[in-house]
Amino acid sequence: AQSVTQLGSHVSVSEGALVLLRCNYSSSVPPYLFWYVQYPNQGLQLLLKYTSAATLVKGINGFEAEFKKSETSFHLTKPSAHMSDAAEYFCAVSEEAGNNRKLIWGLGTSLAVNP
Amino acid sequence: EAGVAQSPRYKIIEKRQSVAFWCNPISGHATLYWYQQILGQGPKLLIQFQNNGVVDDSQLPKDRFSAERLKGVDSTLKIQPAKLEDSAVYLCASSQQGRGQETQYFGPGTRLLVL
Repeated sequence: AQSVTQLGSHVSVSEGALVLLRCNYSSSVPPYLFWYVQYPNQGLQLLLKYTSAATLVKGINGFEAEFKKSETSFHLTKPSAHMSDAAEYFCAVSEEAGNNRKLIWGLGTSLAVNP
Repeated sequence: EAGVAQSPRYKIIEKRQSVAFWCNPISGHATLYWYQQILGQGPKLLIQFQNNGVVDDSQLPKDRFSAERLKGVDSTLKIQPAKLEDSAVYLCASSQQGRGQETQYFGPGTRLLVL
């Protein structure tokens, strides 16, 4: 079974600083990878996804992620943090289960942005 | 385009009581998911429907949880009887066909507190 590891359950950055949220996955086949964001008291919203096209994926709100097969990583970055980026971020990998595919989720990383 | 709708947004019940949650997916989406999200954790898939058929319910506690998706549109998730450990956010999501690279669209969730 596949698994997703998000290093660091809490990350704190200053406004304007680089944001780096780490995600590593285990998969023996090329995966589909996702980053979702969850703002307080809201559902999850897709930030970006990798579906075997370009390895550098650009998403909403200035976020991007790079798929590195050799490192089995899909880290999320943003050059300059904004206060509105404070949220919970989840990495997920799509796992094949019979004729179906389902998402395997990481535990999440809580991002705090300090003024 | 209307998003995924869920109700109620909040529910407080006592243990051993029953509770039901309702979800209306995005129009035309064949696949519907119910997730349980415990505080500090990622979403856990409870059940996945493809139209009105169950695709995956391997993690649904069937002795107390039930779900249905009549007519392949709306869905209800029921807990009877509730336990303290059922306190969580229940998220409904939908996608077009349930394929691995598809985006799942989430509703705002129902926050359940069992006392």
